[in-house]
Amino acid sequence: DQQVKQNSPSLSVQEGRISILNCDYTNSMFDYFLWYKKYPAEGPTFLISISSIKDKNEDGRFTVFLNKSAKHLSLHIVPSQPGDSAVYFCAAPRFNKFYFGSGTKLNVKP
Amino acid sequence: NAGVMQNPRHLVRRRGQEARLRCSPMKGHSHVYWYRQLPEEGLKFMVYLQKENIIDESGMPKERFSAEFPKEGPSILRIQQVVRGDSAAYFCASSAQGALGGNTEAFFGQGTRLTVV
Repeated sequence: DQQVKQNSPSLSVQEGRISILNCDYTNSMFDYFLWYKKYPAEGPTFLISISSIKDKNEDGRFTVFLNKSAKHLSLHIVPSQPGDSAVYFCAAPRFNKFYFGSGTKLNVKP
Repeated sequence: NAGVMQNPRHLVRRRGQEARLRCSPMKGHSHVYWYRQLPEEGLKFMVYLQKENIIDESGMPKERFSAEFPKEGPSILRIQQVVRGDSAAYFCASSAQGALGGNTEAFFGQGTRLTVV
């Protein structure tokens, strides 16, 4: 039962352009969301979060948008840099665990 | 470095042996989670522990797998009689608060890559 979904397994973007990574969820009890970035052979690192009382949270080049009615969130990276190439996971903590999406592999081309 | 520490980073076991994975949470964190990532797949929840208690082990296989988080020392994920299908990356995460009601972040270790030959 996949309660957090990332339907795009991969995304390729030119350096300097915007990267938009999407995430959908099914459980309306989720009220906090996280994005993680993962390089190969490393653990996921926490990137940015958003509470359901907000619809936007910004941290430098990273902005997360939340649309509660659509049960959808997105991570925007502007401008994208080659070092942003990684797998990005969205997650929601609830019921004693963190529910993760399957990840989107971002490739930023120089 | 006060982050989540996992060891070993790489572990090779022959089929039938035992694998023991260790995780020391971040300082001040008493909530520990274990996740498994199979090749080309996402992160799958295995177990959630607090000190001396298993809170949720709904993601852990019923046989051969066990976990503990003793009063003193690291959390241990133990896999007995390993099989080739156990080959994966095992990640430990910790949080300051539990994930029961949201509004908390988990911080991950570097993972242990288990290879069963």
